[in-house]
Amino acid sequence: DQQVKQNSPSLSVQEGRISILNCDYTNSMFDYFLWYKKYPAEGPTFLISISSIKDKNEDGRFTVFLNKSAKHLSLHIVPSQPGDSAVYFCAAEDGGTSYGKLTFGQGTILTVHP
Amino acid sequence: NAGVMQNPRHLVRRRGQEARLRCSPMKGHSHVYWYRQLPEEGLKFMVYLQKENIIDESGMPKERFSAEFPKEGPSILRIQQVVRGDSAAYFCASSAREAGEQYFGPGTRLTVT
Repeated sequence: DQQVKQNSPSLSVQEGRISILNCDYTNSMFDYFLWYKKYPAEGPTFLISISSIKDKNEDGRFTVFLNKSAKHLSLHIVPSQPGDSAVYFCAAEDGGTSYGKLTFGQGTILTVHP
Repeated sequence: NAGVMQNPRHLVRRRGQEARLRCSPMKGHSHVYWYRQLPEEGLKFMVYLQKENIIDESGMPKERFSAEFPKEGPSILRIQQVVRGDSAAYFCASSAREAGEQYFGPGTRLTVT
C-alpha cells in the first residue's frame, strides 16, 4: 500500500530551466509534507516543507505547492543548477495519530544538464 | 560536527550474526527515528524513540529487531541473527520536537553475506 507516490522515476532538465517534481498521496490524514534531496552514499537532506493549512511555501530557488483536494504536491526548482542533480523524495506525516512517522515516496532522479 | 552521526558507515555480517547500528542525534535533539532503505526503494519508517522511551515501533519487524535510546549514549538499532534480506541502508534521523522536519545521518550500509 503505497500511500505516497512519485510516479516519475527520473527527470532531465537543462541548466537555468525550471524543474518540477511531483508527488501524490492517498491518505487524507496527512497534514505535513516535506521534500528531501539525496546524493549517493549520503543521508537525505531536508529542503523545504509545507503544512496542510497552506498551499504554497517558498525558500530561495525552491517552492512547494500543495493541492489538498487533488492530494498532490509539487516541488519547483528555478533556476535549476547542475548541483541540483540528485534523488528527490517527498514525505508526508499524519501529525494527529502518527506524528514523527514520515512516509516517503520512491524518489525521482533529477539530472540537470549544463 | 553538529550533524547526526551514525557508525559504522559500512557493516558486513554473516548470516546468523548480530548487527549493532549506532546513532548520535544532533545536539539539542531528543527525538530519534530509524528508517530502512532497500535497493531501488524509498525510505521506510521503522521506529521513533525519545530518551528511554519507544514512541512508535509500528515499522519494526516483529522478530530479531530492537531499538533503544538510553538516557546516556547513542541510540542503538540491533538486528539479531541477520539474514540476507536485512541487507539495506539504515538511516537515523533526529528532531528537536515530535513533529516537523527530521535531519538525517549519513546512514549505515549493512551487507549480509
